[in-house]
Amino acid sequence: QVQLQQSGPGLVKPSQTLSLTCAISGDSVSRNSAAWSWIRQSPSRGLEWLGRTYYRSTWYSDYPVSVKGRITINRDTSKNQFSLQLNSVTPEDTAVYYCARDVEEVDAFDIWGQGTMVTVSS
Amino acid sequence: DIVMTQSPDSLAVSLGERATINCKSSQSVLYSSNNKNYLGWYQQKPGQPPKLLIYWASTRQSGVPDRFSGSGSGTDFTLTINSLQAEDVAVYYCQQYYSSYTFGQGTKLELK
Repeated sequence: QVQLQQSGPGLVKPSQTLSLTCAISGDSVSRNSAAWSWIRQSPSRGLEWLGRTYYRSTWYSDYPVSVKGRITINRDTSKNQFSLQLNSVTPEDTAVYYCARDVEEVDAFDIWGQGTMVTVSS
Repeated sequence: DIVMTQSPDSLAVSLGERATINCKSSQSVLYSSNNKNYLGWYQQKPGQPPKLLIYWASTRQSGVPDRFSGSGSGTDFTLTINSLQAEDVAVYYCQQYYSSYTFGQGTKLELK
């Protein structure tokens, strides 16, 4: 049974960096047919995909234009986890952040983390 | 970006009745080379992450009751819930994964 367990702070100051980690059990971050994403949800922006990392003989990361330049998604294969770093946060980045998996057979997000409410405030 | 628009924003349905939720994409999400629609449906209850119900527009995820069904192709899609149960009260989202990933704004389903 695949599970994603998120960790990280729930409060970040404006202009600082938001950092979250997603630990994977029951699957591998290096699996050739999976991708590992971060998604956030807020009342003003709804569900918003933030980017993903995946392995296809080499490592790739994709980000939408809306956050490109501010975001980094990394993986740690020794700990079987992946992480999100979002720089220069503002109150608009306040949201529930989720990690999620998609696999080639499904291509939609079939497994989700429990969610982390992150508030950007001084 | 492909924009996903759901209708209605909310609806109230009686127990045992049918609920129908529509989703329209700003461009086709049908991939001609494999004839698959890159469209999924999710259910979200308060305090929980979204749960995948349907993928490829009409394939039910494992463990999802067969009262949930998806249909449509190209730009117009429908999620149908037959014989509504109390546990189906939730917000439902469509999502395209044809080009990047975008979600609809959600449809809140309540009991009448």
